[in-house]
Amino acid sequence: EADIYQTPRYLVIGTGKKITLECSQTMGHDKMYWYQQDPGMELHLIHYSYGVNSTEKGDLSSESTVSRIRTEHFPLTLESARPSHTSQYLCASSEPRQGKNIQYFGAGTRLSVL
Amino acid sequence: GQQLNQSPQSMFIQEGEDVSMNCTSSSIFNTWLWYKQDPGEGPVLLIALYKAGELTSNGRLTAQFGITRKDSFLNISASIPSDVGIYFCAGQLTGSARQLTFGSGTQLTVLP
Repeated sequence: EADIYQTPRYLVIGTGKKITLECSQTMGHDKMYWYQQDPGMELHLIHYSYGVNSTEKGDLSSESTVSRIRTEHFPLTLESARPSHTSQYLCASSEPRQGKNIQYFGAGTRLSVL
Repeated sequence: GQQLNQSPQSMFIQEGEDVSMNCTSSSIFNTWLWYKQDPGEGPVLLIALYKAGELTSNGRLTAQFGITRKDSFLNISASIPSDVGIYFCAGQLTGSARQLTFGSGTQLTVLP
């Protein structure tokens, strides 16, 4: 059972607001990820981290930024939200053991920018 | 980068029927994972496959890692209403800097 938590679950905000989506895991996993997913569509990796102070951009270009100051915490920030940022954001973590790198997902944050 | 082709895109089946979906790729993967996503939730791991030819079951679910390492299928037997959701395959190259590559999903609807 995965222990990875995302808050808020739902967020409706106005254009231009700064927002931070929180993601925390209690499993001590080194690797963490952020995906963006439109309803019913595939997942697109936007950021990942291999550990503290390590962050990389994923395949899908995103105006968001991330930080990894603590192992268990991987927040995602949008400095100025726009309607095009409306989507579901999923956080995941993994701990590769013997090449078995299973990712465990949080419940997601559904963001609507008006 | 690698691409996964998942089919079918959607399925409408009667309760009690068996279901089959698959993923293919032009690249070789060393790991295949199958996830299920309920509406408004994150994906939940169903089955993980690590060796070519491996056949693994989880209750009514069975998945296989293709011999060529370029494909995988998932079967659901005797479907029930709670099987409704989106099923994603995901592949990964061991040791690669790339993370999981996801298929586009199969939307399953189970009719009573």
